[in-house]
Amino acid sequence: GGIITQTPKFLIGQEGQKLTLKCQQNFNHDTMYWYRQDSGKGLRLIYYSITENDLQKGDLSEGYDASREKKSSFSLTVTSAQKNEMAVFLCASSIGVNTEVFFGKGTRLTVV
Amino acid sequence: GQQVQQSPTSLVLQEGENAELQCNFSTSLNSMQWFYQRPGGSLVSVFYNPSGTKQSGRLTSTTVIKERRSSLHISSSQITDSGTYLCAMDQNQGGSAKLIFGEGTKLTVSS
Repeated sequence: GGIITQTPKFLIGQEGQKLTLKCQQNFNHDTMYWYRQDSGKGLRLIYYSITENDLQKGDLSEGYDASREKKSSFSLTVTSAQKNEMAVFLCASSIGVNTEVFFGKGTRLTVV
Repeated sequence: GQQVQQSPTSLVLQEGENAELQCNFSTSLNSMQWFYQRPGGSLVSVFYNPSGTKQSGRLTSTTVIKERRSSLHISSSQITDSGTYLCAMDQNQGGSAKLIFGEGTKLTVSS
């Protein structure tokens, strides 16, 4: 088995601030994802990376940047935090495309 | 419209009753996955179920790709089954890594 570690668990930022969320996985998976979950709603894809050095936009990429520093890590940057984006950000990974996806425990973002 | 429709939106059961959760997809899909989430918790993969029927303990998932539907059956429900069950589909597009989620079924099991 493996584990996906997201840091920090809770992140409080100021409106307009640039904030970075980190994700590490030890599954040795090629594909990694960032999803956003708003209260009472399903998940929406922000960015994903099929392999190391790859970066693909999801449906919700505006206002975010992502970086796949190495195979095991994938970070997400909120370029200018807004109050309406308080949500839980979930990192996930899979062996490849069209395979089972595993999730981390999330980073809860609060913007004040 | 929504590509992944889950029903019911919420379900309240007495301990010991069975639950049937449904997931319908508006487009063709490559595979689908069921997840379980406790309030404030992470998503735990329950089934990765490209097609057919899979069983794990009291949980059974049946997916019919051609009919674009999947169901999750929970037998003899327990209080610890309470939480939100999410289904997600993997679109049938070569190379696409996009999982599309439904909005979930919130299950409450009481004694």
